[in-house]
Amino acid sequence: AQRVTQPEKLLSVFKGAPVELKCNYSYSGSPELFWYVQYSRQRLQLLLRHISRESIKGFTADLNKGETSFHLKKPFAQEEDSAMYYCARDYKLSFGAGTTVTVRA
Amino acid sequence: DGGITQSPKYLFRKEGQNVTLSCEQNLNHDAMYWYRQDPGQGLRLIYYSQIVNDFQKGDIAEGYSVSREKKESFPLTVTSAQKNPTAFYLCASSILPSGAPDTQYFGPGTRLTVL
Repeated sequence: AQRVTQPEKLLSVFKGAPVELKCNYSYSGSPELFWYVQYSRQRLQLLLRHISRESIKGFTADLNKGETSFHLKKPFAQEEDSAMYYCARDYKLSFGAGTTVTVRA
Repeated sequence: DGGITQSPKYLFRKEGQNVTLSCEQNLNHDAMYWYRQDPGQGLRLIYYSQIVNDFQKGDIAEGYSVSREKKESFPLTVTSAQKNPTAFYLCASSILPSGAPDTQYFGPGTRLTVL
């Protein structure tokens, strides 16, 4: 069974529009959750983790234990946000299938 | 981009041959990991190691083997027993060796193609 689910494979938004990437996880407990990003021709790198409770590049993510979700949000998308995004959790070091985000001018 | 390196970038192998992918890190990290990345499936964990001379199987370890003789090195061997070896392989490392992984730092990857 999928431990981390990202339901959207592709997400296309216009510049300046809000963007939300969905992530749901299984095997609750006290999860440690992460969002990783891979820009074109760059390595996969950490974007943010829930324990830090910080905003990186305008992105935030809130852990909702009731809904077992850790959605990634940004109020105003920029073209440089176009990338592949992966949600991950600590249990079995599980990654979701990834969401490709395209921000159009 | 230093820190964690993988070689080679591209690798071609004939069916039935074993091949070893290199992963080296100079970050002094205790934990190292191997993932396989396939389109539409995200990253799947093959093996991980939390300390020298110790490693654990991930979700898809069949057909793969690893060793951890040095802290900085974690080579992955793709054996002929691996049924679908053509994929992009990512190596990563992290600071904490505990069961609750810390932030992972990824290498640039090796693309393996079996001919």
